[in-house]
Amino acid sequence: DAMVIQNPRYQVTQFGKPVTLSCSQTLNHNVMYWYQQKSSQAPKLLFHYYDKDFNNEADTPDNFQSRRPNTSFCFLDIRSPGLGDTAMYLCATSRGWAGEAFFGQGTRLTVV
Amino acid sequence: RKEVEQDPGPFNVPEGATVAFNCTYSNSASQSFFWYRQDCRKEPKLLMSVYSSGNEDGRFTAQLNRASQYISLLIRDSKLSDSATYLCVVNGDFGNEKLTFGTGTRLTIIP
Repeated sequence: DAMVIQNPRYQVTQFGKPVTLSCSQTLNHNVMYWYQQKSSQAPKLLFHYYDKDFNNEADTPDNFQSRRPNTSFCFLDIRSPGLGDTAMYLCATSRGWAGEAFFGQGTRLTVV
Repeated sequence: RKEVEQDPGPFNVPEGATVAFNCTYSNSASQSFFWYRQDCRKEPKLLMSVYSSGNEDGRFTAQLNRASQYISLLIRDSKLSDSATYLCVVNGDFGNEKLTFGTGTRLTIIP
């Protein structure tokens, strides 16, 4: 059974049209991450949460925001997507900072 | 200097050969180290954690060298199914805890 679930798996959105990606987990992990991965590149960390403590990477565009209403759910909001935001968005969870990360299957976002 | 660096490859290796990857990290206080495998258009999946004493799982051996700040992955008797991108992942230290990925090393096993 999938333990980290991302929805949708595929999303096409128009330039400038807000989009929300969701992630849910059944592992009860306290740490959640959002990564952006572009073609042939490594995953790039956008945000992470330790419980409710939110950490925003310095180079994450202001256009990107996140919410974590409870332990199980996390959302990535892109307010005004640009063509350069086309990428795979990966959600991951871990038990504490030192634990291995479990990834969802990703949302492949295409901005047209 | 990047936080986590890997040789991007590609490595094209004949089936049955042994291949080794290295990964260097910049934060000497890092505590946890992992190798992940990522297949094309799929999510990364944990291959193995890397312990100070080194660890082995079948054909795979991982080692950590804290003094030189690198970790390694050795794959023996490589199979076609080993073709993938191998990602080195390192966590930070207290106050900067997060998992940082290397750029990945692409491996292709040739029949």
